[in-house]
Amino acid sequence: DTAVSQTPKYLVTQMGNDKSIKCEQNLGHDTMYWYKQDSKKFLKIMFSYNNKELIINETVPNRFSPKSPDKAHLNLHINSLELGDSAVYFCASSIASGRYEQYFGPGTRLTVT
Amino acid sequence: QQPVQSPQAVILREGEDAVINCSSSKALYSVHWYRQKHGEAPVFLMILLKGGEQKGHEKISASFNEKKQQSSLYLTASQLSYSGTYFCGTAQGAQKLVFGQGTRLTINP
Repeated sequence: DTAVSQTPKYLVTQMGNDKSIKCEQNLGHDTMYWYKQDSKKFLKIMFSYNNKELIINETVPNRFSPKSPDKAHLNLHINSLELGDSAVYFCASSIASGRYEQYFGPGTRLTVT
Repeated sequence: QQPVQSPQAVILREGEDAVINCSSSKALYSVHWYRQKHGEAPVFLMILLKGGEQKGHEKISASFNEKKQQSSLYLTASQLSYSGTYFCGTAQGAQKLVFGQGTRLTINP
């Protein structure tokens, strides 16, 4: 059974389009995260939700909007995609926020052309 | 603030040892270590929660020097399966984990 799953795995789209990435965890964790990993492998946190409540909102463009319908799901919607948004986006979860082991999903490779 | 890892890359022969360092200019509350193989997701290795703590996982161990605000990951008698990029993550505040830039480890037969 997959612990943290993401869809789609690959996403190729044109500049200006709007796209969504979905994430689900079946671990019963309270906290979920979105990370962006750029071409230099730098792994940067974007957002975190704890029990559906937004607790971390890093300086990302407001074209990025996360949504957590319940504590097992965290989606990421991106409006007006730009070339610089091309990256791998990882969802992760942990039992609680902060000093706990994080389980990462397989990643979504977004390519904006 | 992002922790700094050194070295940026290491190439070893199978059976050799390696040390990866992680240092921060801010006080560290905990240090996490993850390994990411090419094309895969980062996988948790271990977490060190207090100064002086040392942990081990097979032939991979780590130490945490709270005073020096640094942690080191030790890979002993490396195996081909140890290849990948190693990230340290430092907990800044109660909620956020900030990752270093990664250390790419290549193990050759």
